Amino acid sequence: KQEVTQIPAALSVPEGENLVLNCSFTDSAIYNLQWFRQDPGKGLTSLLLIQSSQREQTSGRLNASLDKSSGRSTLYIAASQPGDSATYLCAVPSYNTDKLIFGTGTRLQVFP
Amino acid sequence: EPEVTQTPSHQVTQMGQEVILRCVPISNHLYFYWYRQILGQKVEFLVSFYNNEISEKSEIFDDQFSVERPDGSNFTLKIRSTKLEDSAMYFCASSLRAVGSDSPLHFGNGTRLTVT
Repeated sequence: KQEVTQIPAALSVPEGENLVLNCSFTDSAIYNLQWFRQDPGKGLTSLLLIQSSQREQTSGRLNASLDKSSGRSTLYIAASQPGDSATYLCAVPSYNTDKLIFGTGTRLQVFP
Repeated sequence: EPEVTQTPSHQVTQMGQEVILRCVPISNHLYFYWYRQILGQKVEFLVSFYNNEISEKSEIFDDQFSVERPDGSNFTLKIRSTKLEDSAMYFCASSLRAVGSDSPLHFGNGTRLTVT
Protein backbone atom coordinates (compact mmCIF):
# COMPACT_ATOMS: atom_id res chain seq x y z
CA LYS A 1 0.00 0.00 0.00
CA GLN A 2 1.45 3.33 -1.07
CA GLU A 3 2.26 5.76 1.72
CA VAL A 4 3.51 9.29 1.25
CA THR A 5 5.28 11.30 3.92
CA GLN A 6 6.64 14.81 3.94
CA ILE A 7 9.28 16.44 6.06
CA PRO A 8 9.54 18.85 7.65
CA ALA A 9 5.94 19.23 8.79
CA ALA A 10 6.47 22.96 9.26
CA LEU A 11 9.13 25.45 8.29
CA SER A 12 9.54 29.11 9.16
CA VAL A 13 12.26 31.08 7.37
CA PRO A 14 13.21 34.66 6.62
CA GLU A 15 12.61 36.05 3.18
CA GLY A 16 15.31 35.33 0.61
CA GLU A 17 16.32 31.87 1.77
CA ASN A 18 16.51 28.91 -0.58
CA LEU A 19 14.35 26.06 0.66
CA VAL A 20 14.14 22.30 0.31
CA LEU A 21 10.93 20.41 0.97
CA ASN A 22 11.02 16.63 1.01
CA CYS A 23 8.54 13.99 -0.05
CA SER A 24 9.03 10.24 0.22
CA PHE A 25 6.88 7.36 -1.00
CA THR A 26 7.03 3.67 -0.18
CA ASP A 27 6.18 2.13 -3.56
CA SER A 28 8.53 3.22 -6.34
CA ALA A 29 6.21 1.95 -9.09
CA ILE A 30 4.75 5.37 -9.77
CA TYR A 31 3.69 6.99 -13.05
CA ASN A 32 4.31 10.53 -11.89
CA LEU A 33 4.49 12.80 -8.85
CA GLN A 34 2.68 16.07 -8.44
CA TRP A 35 3.40 19.01 -6.13
CA PHE A 36 0.56 21.25 -4.99
CA ARG A 37 0.24 24.42 -3.01
CA GLN A 38 -2.65 24.94 -0.60
CA ASP A 39 -3.46 28.33 0.88
CA PRO A 40 -5.48 28.39 4.14
CA GLY A 41 -9.13 27.55 3.51
CA LYS A 42 -8.53 27.24 -0.21
CA GLY A 43 -8.15 24.57 -2.83
CA LEU A 44 -5.02 22.95 -4.19
CA THR A 45 -3.04 24.63 -6.93
CA SER A 46 -0.95 22.35 -9.12
CA LEU A 47 2.67 23.54 -9.16
CA LEU A 48 4.64 20.86 -10.95
CA LEU A 49 4.09 17.37 -12.32
CA ILE A 50 7.11 15.12 -12.89
CA GLN A 51 6.64 12.01 -14.94
CA SER A 52 8.42 8.84 -13.91
CA SER A 53 10.80 9.11 -16.88
CA GLN A 54 11.90 12.61 -15.84
CA ARG A 55 14.36 13.60 -13.17
CA GLU A 56 13.26 17.17 -12.65
CA GLN A 57 10.86 19.92 -13.63
CA THR A 58 11.22 23.66 -13.26
CA SER A 59 8.71 26.47 -13.09
CA GLY A 60 10.05 29.91 -12.23
CA ARG A 61 11.66 29.78 -8.79
CA LEU A 62 10.44 26.21 -8.24
CA ASN A 63 12.36 23.10 -9.12
CA ALA A 64 11.17 19.59 -8.35
CA SER A 65 13.34 16.51 -8.62
CA LEU A 66 12.37 12.86 -8.59
CA ASP A 67 14.41 9.81 -7.64
CA LYS A 68 12.10 6.84 -8.14
CA SER A 69 14.56 4.20 -7.01
CA SER A 70 14.99 5.81 -3.60
CA GLY A 71 11.33 6.83 -3.34
CA ARG A 72 12.01 10.54 -2.96
CA SER A 73 11.15 13.87 -4.43
CA THR A 74 12.34 17.30 -3.40
CA LEU A 75 10.86 20.71 -4.08
CA TYR A 76 13.36 23.55 -4.18
CA ILE A 77 12.12 27.08 -3.72
CA ALA A 78 14.69 29.69 -4.63
CA ALA A 79 14.80 33.15 -3.04
CA SER A 80 11.70 32.62 -0.93
CA GLN A 81 9.14 35.41 -0.57
CA PRO A 82 6.34 36.02 1.95
CA GLY A 83 3.88 35.19 -0.82
CA ASP A 84 5.27 31.64 -0.84
CA SER A 85 3.73 31.05 2.59
CA ALA A 86 1.34 28.12 2.21
CA THR A 87 1.14 24.36 2.72
CA TYR A 88 2.93 22.32 0.09
CA LEU A 89 1.61 18.85 -0.71
CA CYS A 90 3.03 16.09 -2.82
CA ALA A 91 0.92 13.31 -4.30
CA VAL A 92 1.44 10.15 -6.33
CA PRO A 93 -1.03 8.00 -8.24
CA SER A 94 -1.72 4.73 -6.49
CA TYR A 95 -0.51 1.95 -8.80
CA ASN A 96 -3.13 0.75 -11.26
CA THR A 97 -5.84 2.92 -9.79
CA ASP A 98 -7.35 6.27 -10.56
CA LYS A 99 -6.57 8.04 -7.32
CA LEU A 100 -3.85 10.25 -5.90
CA ILE A 101 -2.27 9.48 -2.54
CA PHE A 102 -1.36 12.67 -0.71
CA GLY A 103 1.32 13.41 1.82
CA THR A 104 0.61 15.27 5.06
CA GLY A 105 2.15 18.46 3.72
CA THR A 106 4.79 20.98 4.77
CA ARG A 107 3.45 24.22 6.20
CA LEU A 108 5.78 27.01 5.09
CA GLN A 109 5.94 30.49 6.55
CA VAL A 110 8.25 33.05 5.01
CA PHE A 111 8.57 36.21 7.07
CA PRO A 112 9.82 39.59 5.84
CA GLU B 1 -6.89 30.46 -17.23
CA PRO B 2 -9.77 27.97 -16.95
CA GLU B 3 -10.53 26.76 -13.45
CA VAL B 4 -12.69 24.33 -11.52
CA THR B 5 -15.48 26.14 -9.66
CA GLN B 6 -17.39 24.83 -6.66
CA THR B 7 -20.54 26.00 -4.94
CA PRO B 8 -21.36 26.72 -2.22
CA SER B 9 -18.12 27.66 -0.53
CA HIS B 10 -19.60 26.80 2.86
CA GLN B 11 -22.60 24.64 3.75
CA VAL B 12 -24.00 24.07 7.20
CA THR B 13 -26.51 21.28 7.63
CA GLN B 14 -28.12 19.25 10.36
CA MET B 15 -27.33 15.60 10.88
CA GLY B 16 -29.55 13.39 8.75
CA GLN B 17 -30.16 16.00 6.08
CA GLU B 18 -29.26 15.59 2.42
CA VAL B 19 -26.68 17.88 0.83
CA ILE B 20 -25.61 18.39 -2.75
CA LEU B 21 -22.22 19.84 -3.50
CA ARG B 22 -21.80 21.29 -6.95
CA CYS B 23 -18.84 21.59 -9.26
CA VAL B 24 -18.17 22.87 -12.74
CA PRO B 25 -15.01 21.16 -14.03
CA ILE B 26 -12.78 22.61 -16.72
CA SER B 27 -14.72 22.36 -19.94
CA ASN B 28 -12.53 20.06 -22.05
CA HIS B 29 -11.59 17.74 -19.20
CA LEU B 30 -12.75 14.13 -19.24
CA TYR B 31 -11.90 12.82 -15.77
CA PHE B 32 -13.66 14.05 -12.66
CA TYR B 33 -12.99 13.48 -8.99
CA TRP B 34 -14.11 14.23 -5.48
CA TYR B 35 -11.64 14.37 -2.61
CA ARG B 36 -12.12 15.47 0.95
CA GLN B 37 -9.97 16.81 3.75
CA ILE B 38 -11.01 16.54 7.36
CA LEU B 39 -9.50 19.38 9.39
CA GLY B 40 -5.86 18.66 10.17
CA GLN B 41 -5.76 15.46 8.11
CA LYS B 42 -4.57 14.39 4.69
CA VAL B 43 -6.47 14.99 1.49
CA GLU B 44 -8.20 11.69 0.72
CA PHE B 45 -9.78 10.27 -2.41
CA LEU B 46 -13.51 9.65 -2.56
CA VAL B 47 -14.48 8.84 -6.13
CA SER B 48 -13.45 9.11 -9.77
CA PHE B 49 -15.82 9.47 -12.70
CA TYR B 50 -15.14 8.93 -16.38
CA ASN B 51 -17.29 8.31 -19.43
CA ASN B 52 -20.46 8.93 -17.40
CA GLU B 53 -19.78 6.33 -14.78
CA ILE B 54 -17.86 5.79 -11.57
CA SER B 55 -14.46 4.34 -12.39
CA GLU B 56 -13.28 3.94 -8.82
CA LYS B 57 -14.46 4.68 -5.30
CA SER B 58 -12.91 4.51 -1.86
CA GLU B 59 -14.19 2.76 1.26
CA ILE B 60 -15.48 6.12 2.46
CA PHE B 61 -17.80 6.37 -0.55
CA ASP B 62 -20.58 4.17 0.77
CA ASP B 63 -24.29 4.01 -0.14
CA GLN B 64 -24.88 7.43 1.41
CA PHE B 65 -22.79 9.05 -1.33
CA SER B 66 -23.58 9.44 -5.01
CA VAL B 67 -22.25 11.44 -7.93
CA GLU B 68 -23.87 12.70 -11.08
CA ARG B 69 -22.98 14.57 -14.20
CA PRO B 70 -26.48 15.70 -15.12
CA ASP B 71 -25.43 17.77 -18.13
CA GLY B 72 -22.28 18.63 -20.04
CA SER B 73 -20.92 20.99 -17.43
CA ASN B 74 -21.94 20.15 -13.85
CA PHE B 75 -20.64 17.42 -11.59
CA THR B 76 -22.34 16.88 -8.23
CA LEU B 77 -21.71 14.98 -5.03
CA LYS B 78 -24.75 14.08 -2.96
CA ILE B 79 -24.71 12.88 0.62
CA ARG B 80 -28.12 11.42 1.44
CA SER B 81 -28.13 11.47 5.21
CA THR B 82 -25.25 13.45 6.64
CA LYS B 83 -23.36 12.39 9.76
CA LEU B 84 -21.21 14.47 12.07
CA GLU B 85 -18.10 12.75 10.69
CA ASP B 86 -18.93 13.98 7.18
CA SER B 87 -17.80 17.45 8.25
CA ALA B 88 -14.85 18.25 6.03
CA MET B 89 -13.66 20.31 3.09
CA TYR B 90 -14.80 18.65 -0.12
CA PHE B 91 -12.76 19.24 -3.24
CA CYS B 92 -13.79 18.65 -6.81
CA ALA B 93 -11.03 18.04 -9.34
CA SER B 94 -10.74 17.40 -13.05
CA SER B 95 -8.09 16.43 -15.54
CA LEU B 96 -7.75 15.99 -19.28
CA ARG B 97 -6.29 12.50 -18.97
CA ALA B 98 -6.06 9.88 -16.23
CA VAL B 99 -3.96 10.50 -13.13
CA GLY B 100 -1.13 8.28 -14.35
CA SER B 101 -0.52 10.46 -17.38
CA ASP B 102 1.24 13.77 -18.01
CA SER B 103 -1.96 15.67 -17.24
CA PRO B 104 -2.09 17.45 -13.88
CA LEU B 105 -5.12 17.36 -11.63
CA HIS B 106 -6.87 20.72 -11.23
CA PHE B 107 -8.76 21.36 -8.01
CA GLY B 108 -11.54 23.72 -7.09
CA ASN B 109 -11.49 25.90 -3.97
CA GLY B 110 -13.61 23.44 -2.05
CA THR B 111 -16.88 23.40 -0.15
CA ARG B 112 -16.57 23.43 3.62
CA LEU B 113 -19.34 21.16 4.92
CA THR B 114 -20.27 21.50 8.58
CA VAL B 115 -22.72 18.96 9.99
CA THR B 116 -24.28 19.92 13.33
